[in-house]
Amino acid sequence: AQSVAQPEDQVNVAEGNPLTVKCTYSVSGNPYLFWYVQYPNRGLQFLLKYITGDNLVKGSYGFEAEFNKSQTSFHLKKPSALVSDSALYFCAVRDVDQAGTALIFGKGTTLSVSS
Amino acid sequence: DAGVTQSPTHLIKTRGQQVTLRCSPISGHKSVSWYQQVLGQGPQFIFQYYEKEERGRGNFPDRFSARQFPNYSSELNVNALLLGDSALYLCASSPLVNPENSPLHFGNGTRLTVT
Repeated sequence: AQSVAQPEDQVNVAEGNPLTVKCTYSVSGNPYLFWYVQYPNRGLQFLLKYITGDNLVKGSYGFEAEFNKSQTSFHLKKPSALVSDSALYFCAVRDVDQAGTALIFGKGTTLSVSS
Repeated sequence: DAGVTQSPTHLIKTRGQQVTLRCSPISGHKSVSWYQQVLGQGPQFIFQYYEKEERGRGNFPDRFSARQFPNYSSELNVNALLLGDSALYLCASSPLVNPENSPLHFGNGTRLTVT
């Protein structure tokens, strides 16, 4: 069965510093990986995806993610954090046991950026 | 263009009652998916409909049902409500059936509280 794990409940970083939000995955076959962000009382917003190709994927709002097949990881990164990046971040993998768009989400990591 | 709209935004029901949640996808999107997000957890897949046909069903009891209308809007029904059904119910739309080709666009959700 497919799964994703986000080992950190919370990540704290100072504004201007680089940030990393970790994600590891377990899938059968090639992984389709995603990052979404959720602001309070809102739905999820798509940040980026990895399907195939370059291991470094660039997404919205200056975020990028690094796919590492040997470590089965897909960590979200940003070179310089903003206070406005504070939100709940979810890693997800496509559930290949399901047809269509079923995604399996991690439990989420709260990012807190201090000024 | 309007995003995914969900109604109502909040709902309070009593155990044993039935509830209907509604979702209007982004114009032109033919796929609608439903997710349940329990507090402190990532969203969990319930259903996906594409072109009015069920394309996927998550691991939820038969008390949960859904349908998609000719205008691609969708309803999620939950019968015999339990306290554990209290959650944020998210609707997501996409133009295509697979997430690697068209990321999900989420609505702000319906907060269901069962007392």
